[in-house]
Amino acid sequence: RKEVEQDPGPFNVPEGATVAFNCTYSNSASQSFFWYRQDCRKEPKLLMSVYSSGNEDGRFTAQLNRASQYISLLIRDSKLSDSATYLCVVTIVGGSYIPTFGRGTSLIVHP
Amino acid sequence: ETGVTQSPTHLIKTRGQQVTLRCSSQSGHNTVSWYQQALGQGPQFIFQYYREEENGRGNFPPRFSGLQFPNYSSELNVNALELDDSALYLCASSSGQAQETQYFGPGTRLLVL
Repeated sequence: RKEVEQDPGPFNVPEGATVAFNCTYSNSASQSFFWYRQDCRKEPKLLMSVYSSGNEDGRFTAQLNRASQYISLLIRDSKLSDSATYLCVVTIVGGSYIPTFGRGTSLIVHP
Repeated sequence: ETGVTQSPTHLIKTRGQQVTLRCSSQSGHNTVSWYQQALGQGPQFIFQYYREEENGRGNFPPRFSGLQFPNYSSELNVNALELDDSALYLCASSSGQAQETQYFGPGTRLLVL
């Protein structure tokens, strides 16, 4: 089993739709969680951190479920500009720092 | 405030050669991480440097090495290049270690023939 797993998609949705992605992780010692967005042939950019209590930023909501070991990203009222690959990142912090990215979920928002 | 920069942007090498990639961190950042991203995959963590010391390493062989300079810029060196080393190499800087936001540079596209 991979350490961090994401459904690669693509998720093909119309403008205005609500779409949700999950990301599962295998190491229960994981401590930090993030969602990044990556546009085609560009570098990843931070979308949002994921906190234990869940957090919201405009149309985006991130949640963490430690018991089931997954994080989620919900996008409401999808825009064409939301089309991108969404990468989850899980970090283990102990004696050293090891971040693990998922392979990403591709989202295509169409008119 | 200048962002993360990387050089070169593109590079073509042949098997067995050596390559050095460079990264300048964002001003105020003392931590640099390097990632390898193959086509269709997420970035894979190579290693991180914090204040010139290696602070963590992913599952990459010793022919991947690096260093960080006093100004916090960094180099990634890859010896004995293999065809599978062809990828986008990303550098990310942050102001601390694990839980700080990472800011990525545009990457270096390496093609090994």
